[in-house]
Amino acid sequence: DVKVTQSSRYLVKRTGEKVFLECVQDMDHENMFWYRQDPGLGLRLIYFSYDVKMKEKGDIPEGYSVSREKKERFSLILESASTNQTSMYLCASSLLPRDYGYTFGSGTRLTVV
Amino acid sequence: SQQGEEDPQALSIQEGENATMNCSYKTSINNLQWYRQNSGRGLVHLILIRSNEREKHSGRLRVTLDTSKKSSSLLITASRAADTASYFCATDALTGAGNMLTFGGGTRLMVKP
Repeated sequence: DVKVTQSSRYLVKRTGEKVFLECVQDMDHENMFWYRQDPGLGLRLIYFSYDVKMKEKGDIPEGYSVSREKKERFSLILESASTNQTSMYLCASSLLPRDYGYTFGSGTRLTVV
Repeated sequence: SQQGEEDPQALSIQEGENATMNCSYKTSINNLQWYRQNSGRGLVHLILIRSNEREKHSGRLRVTLDTSKKSSSLLITASRAADTASYFCATDALTGAGNMLTFGGGTRLMVKP
């Protein structure tokens, strides 16, 4: 069964900490995405990647960076965590061509205190 | 930025009834997709309908697309308590690059036993 795995389901971090959220997919997908989901705001795209070492900003990249050193792994980095980054973070992957759905991970609920 | 807007925001029905959710979008699309999200989990791809299709079925799901009205509907027939979830539409804009989706805010469906 194809899978997108996010390293943590729940995470609690302190303000100012550097936080790494890891995502691994086993489907050889070219595209990988990071979203955050907040009540009333839906899913908002933070960053995405079409290929190894390639990254593009989404709608809300401020305060975040990403790394894609291998095709199967896409990491989201909070350089200095702040309380307004408390959220549900969702990783997804897909094939490059259009007309393919996304496969999502189970999500990481991050709380910054 | 949100392209799709679901209506209603919340829906409560009895088991066995049909549930209809609507999605409106703003720009021309390549395809429209529907996803389900159980509470606190990732999204699961349900069905994809291309811009040149008008209707599509998958089990108890029926999706329609009206590109002239820029709208889509998801019908779940003979609903079950297990259908309780949030449902999101997502659009692949025609002018966008590659397989990029924009998600709506979702409809929260509750199916009472």
